[in-house]
Amino acid sequence: AQKITQTQPGMFVQEKEAVTLDCTYDTSDPSYGLFWYKQPSSGEMIFLIYQGSYDQQNATEGRYSLNFQKARKSANLVISASQLGDSAMYFCAPGRLSNFGNEKLTFGTGTRLTIIP
Amino acid sequence: NAGVTQTPKFRVLKTGQSMTLLCAQDMNHEYMYWYRQDPGMGLRLIHYSVGEGTTAKGEVPDGYNVSRLKKQNFLLGLESAAPSQTSVYFCASSYGVTGSSYNEQFFGPGTRLTVL
Repeated sequence: AQKITQTQPGMFVQEKEAVTLDCTYDTSDPSYGLFWYKQPSSGEMIFLIYQGSYDQQNATEGRYSLNFQKARKSANLVISASQLGDSAMYFCAPGRLSNFGNEKLTFGTGTRLTIIP
Repeated sequence: NAGVTQTPKFRVLKTGQSMTLLCAQDMNHEYMYWYRQDPGMGLRLIHYSVGEGTTAKGEVPDGYNVSRLKKQNFLLGLESAAPSQTSVYFCASSYGVTGSSYNEQFFGPGTRLTVL
């Protein structure tokens, strides 16, 4: 089974500051990229961003960006200008593009981010 | 467009009882999944389906069965519930091979199950 490591169980960040959430994974399949999901206190899982393993540039999506280091098998999520609504659990999950078939996801244990006003 | 819906939202069972969780999606997705989330942990895959009439085991399949008789529905059954199955259950779906380049999974709101 894949092992996904999110080393920060909890983080507290001042509103409007940037925050980096860490994630590393141990798959040997070079086609794997990484998904990030957000789970607010209401419980639903919300897709944030995906980094493909063959993408030349780091993925960005609004205030979210990834610091992808393929050799180290890590893809850290950076949230810029944090907002109170960013308070949630954040999960990373290695995954592959659809052309390679089934997209079973294995999730890390998550990081609980709390934004302080 | 409701996305992914789950029925019921909450349920309390006694040990040994059976129940079925229903997941429905209206996005014409090929792939569907059932996960469980225990306190302090990430989601773990129970079973999944890559198309109508197909099912496969995930990481933690014991004690559960599934069926995908219709493309839009994915049922999760507990034949004889145990306290260890107390958890929050999430259903998800994705396009599959012919879908978007991301092929991200879309999740339902979850079902909170307690087994006494």
